[in-house]
Amino acid sequence: GAVVSQHPSWVICKSGTSVKIECRSLDFQATTMFWYRQFPKQSLMLMATSNEGSKATYEQGVEKDKFLINHASLTLSTLTVTSAHPEDSSFYICSARDILAGPTDTQYFGPGTRLTVL
Amino acid sequence: GQNIDQPTEMTATEGAIVQINCTYQTSGFNGLFWYQQHAGEAPTFLSYNVLDGLEEKGRFSSFLSRSKGYSYLLLKELQMKDSASYLCAASDSNYQLIWGAGTKLIIKP
Repeated sequence: GAVVSQHPSWVICKSGTSVKIECRSLDFQATTMFWYRQFPKQSLMLMATSNEGSKATYEQGVEKDKFLINHASLTLSTLTVTSAHPEDSSFYICSARDILAGPTDTQYFGPGTRLTVL
Repeated sequence: GQNIDQPTEMTATEGAIVQINCTYQTSGFNGLFWYQQHAGEAPTFLSYNVLDGLEEKGRFSSFLSRSKGYSYLLLKELQMKDSASYLCAASDSNYQLIWGAGTKLIIKP
């Protein structure tokens, strides 16, 4: 149980284009999903918290107009990197928390999406 | 401020035991998580402690002391596949996870 998928697993795009990453909870419902970014040899950096049916809460320093998050259902959240630039190249990881669990419950991670912007 | 400290890198021998320490300072506390992350992959959940004491789960155990703001992950009977980064994360008063930078564990034959 508690499986989270992400698509695509890797993407290469040209500078200035937009990229959409999907995060799905496969066998549970998630009111809350989290989007992280991880640069090589660095820790996870929380970008935003995504709540189903409401606007995402962005961390300080994360541009909400550049990183668009949509959490349209209890099993799907999407992150769109708009007008991507080479400095946006990173490993993007989502996680989800079970709707039936309390707020302290475990976050389960998707496999990650490696974005390379040329 | 909120902070998590853990060693950057550790080396151990196959079959041995290793302890990875983590100290934390958070605004409020709602538990301590340990995750394993292999290179190029997403983290996978290992353990969660919210009460003081030791939680054992197979070859892995996790300990928490709330009064000291301290936790450790103990790995026994090390295997080569245990080579990975181990991330410590504390849940603060808003149930937000504060992440450590991770400890890279290198296992030698």
